[in-house]
Amino acid sequence: EVQLVESGGGLVQPGGSLRLSCAASGFTFSSYSMTWVRQAPGKGLEWVSYISSTSTTIYYADSVRGRLTISRDNAKNSLYLQMNSLRVEDTAVYYCARDLGSLPWFDPWGQGTLVTVSS
Amino acid sequence: QSVLTQPPSASGTPGQRVTISCSGSSSNIGSNYVYWYQQLPGTAPKLLIYRNNQRPSGVPDRFSGSKSGTSASLAISGLRSEDEADYYCAAWDGSLSGHVVFGGGTKLTVL
Repeated sequence: EVQLVESGGGLVQPGGSLRLSCAASGFTFSSYSMTWVRQAPGKGLEWVSYISSTSTTIYYADSVRGRLTISRDNAKNSLYLQMNSLRVEDTAVYYCARDLGSLPWFDPWGQGTLVTVSS
Repeated sequence: QSVLTQPPSASGTPGQRVTISCSGSSSNIGSNYVYWYQQLPGTAPKLLIYRNNQRPSGVPDRFSGSKSGTSASLAISGLRSEDEADYYCAAWDGSLSGHVVFGGGTKLTVL
């Protein structure tokens, strides 16, 4: 079964840092591009970042560029999102998802991890 | 303000057919595929339609997608109570440096 499991969310103060992880199983992780999408409480979906299978192509939403960094470790079947200089508006559930070769063809999605930025 | 425009809400009674619209521009829907996602209450989004009108395996044929020009639509026929969810359209936007854009979402209520 194809599965994605996020972890690493929590409460952090404005200006702080957090590292999210996404553990993949049930498919050849190194063959697929991956993405992060977030959803603020009670709001819609917002695409955050994309990384190709070999990490050669990376995209970011304007709202996070320079503060969030996507990376992956194909040997560990894991995707990461390093979050620095966090702002209150970064508060959201963060989902990782597999890209099926044509943005935004995302399937499946993980269950999400909640990041709360508050003092 | 989302790049893709969806009605915030839609409703129908069991058995009815409902459609949800998604309006964009030449840089996104007009020149790229449209995708639809279903988000049931308290759960992660799920792929519903890909490449404008294709259904992943397991998605009932009650769900269908279409695209014309810079707009797209999701149609749900034979509406069922379990279809009550939020629905999002998405597309690649070629006017920006590598951006995926989502619609604001439509909350479907089954009356």
